Amino acid sequence: EAAVTQSPRNKVAVTGGKVTLSCNQTNNHNNMYWYRQDTGHGLRLIHYSYGAGSTEKGDIPDGYKASRPSQENFSLILELATPSQTSVYFCASGETGWNTGQLYFGEGSKLTVL
Amino acid sequence: GDSVTQTEGQVTVSESKSLIINCTYSATSIGYPNLFWYVRYPGEGLQLLLKVITAGQKGSSRGFEATYNKEATSFHLQKASVQESDSAVYYCALSEANTGKLTFGDGTVLTVKP
Repeated sequence: EAAVTQSPRNKVAVTGGKVTLSCNQTNNHNNMYWYRQDTGHGLRLIHYSYGAGSTEKGDIPDGYKASRPSQENFSLILELATPSQTSVYFCASGETGWNTGQLYFGEGSKLTVL
Repeated sequence: GDSVTQTEGQVTVSESKSLIINCTYSATSIGYPNLFWYVRYPGEGLQLLLKVITAGQKGSSRGFEATYNKEATSFHLQKASVQESDSAVYYCALSEANTGKLTFGDGTVLTVKP
């Protein structure tokens, strides 16, 4: 069954520490995305990728880096975590072409920065 | 930039009654975006409910309908008779045709009372 899996599902980090959120997809989709969702709000795009080796800035990229080493894997990196980055992070994959926008989401990673 | 507005943060409806969740959008960088409704049921991940990629067309799924109204820039979600199992969080979204990037509304929490 095609799926998007994220790890870790829960993470507590300290201010100034490095955090890496990982995402793996078995959908064989070219596009992958990282979103964050804060309580009472919709999802906001941080970074996305069109394929292995590519990363693009989304709407709120400051404080985040992304890495796409392969078709299947897409990581979000917080080099110096801050309390304002406490949130739930969602990874998604999707197709290119006319069907764009139909995304398949992971279960989310809850990050708390103390 | 692009934006999606859902005016109701929470909606409570009695079972078997009709429902409408409002959604309007602004797509300043896109001619005719693809429009979507996503849903998160309790304990589950975010998933696609329905999509429409052509202005003037209607999408439907699980008894829900939404019509792409480009004149009013609206994409309201409707259901004639809700069930308790429809209780969930509903997100309206639009995407750019080329990148597949989704822009989400803040979501509407639907509670269906028995």
